[in-house]
Amino acid sequence: QVQLQESGPGLVKPSETLSLTCTVSGGSISRYYWTWIRQPAGKGLEWIGRIYTSASPNYNPSLKSRVTMSVDTSKNQFSLKLSSVTAADTAIYYCARGTQTNRFDFWGQGTLVTVSS
Amino acid sequence: QSVLTQPPSVSGAPGQRVTISCTGSSSNIGAGYDVHWYQQLPGTAPKLLIYGYTNRPSGVPDRFSGSKSGTSASLAITGLQAEDEADYYCQSYDSSLSGSFFGGGTKLTVL
Repeated sequence: QVQLQESGPGLVKPSETLSLTCTVSGGSISRYYWTWIRQPAGKGLEWIGRIYTSASPNYNPSLKSRVTMSVDTSKNQFSLKLSSVTAADTAIYYCARGTQTNRFDFWGQGTLVTVSS
Repeated sequence: QSVLTQPPSVSGAPGQRVTISCTGSSSNIGAGYDVHWYQQLPGTAPKLLIYGYTNRPSGVPDRFSGSKSGTSASLAITGLQAEDEADYYCQSYDSSLSGSFFGGGTKLTVL
């Protein structure tokens, strides 16, 4: 059974860079789209972007200028960096596995990131 | 405003049937991209409920079903149970935006 686990700081200061890592266990990180999704408290889901091991990443146009994703196949991990954060970036951040038909079949439990000084 | 439009809330009594709609456009559902549905119980991560409009992952009860009509998709839940009370999200890919997007979510209340 594939499992995903997010890790990273729970508190980030405004204007700084949010950095999260997702560790994948129980399966290979190859052949899937590794995805970040976030959810502000009480609100809906927002797709941040995805990365594939052998292709360029795709980002949500609304976040594209601030987002960078990478994958480390040797560690079975992928990462998210979101720069110049504001309070509006406070949310639960989920990592998920995406398939060729764009469904997200496995999710991490989510990690709360708060942007505050 | 979401690329995919869902009603904010639906409700039904135990045992009843409810449906949740997901309206898209020519650049997502109308372009042939699949719609998937997720169930998010309070305080938990979303869980894949229906994929490719009509398919259920292993372990999902057959009380949950999906359908497609034109540029819309629907999720139906029959034999409502208290444990079905959750938020439900549809999701698809949009060619004009080059990415995946979720509907705004629908809160199901079991009366």
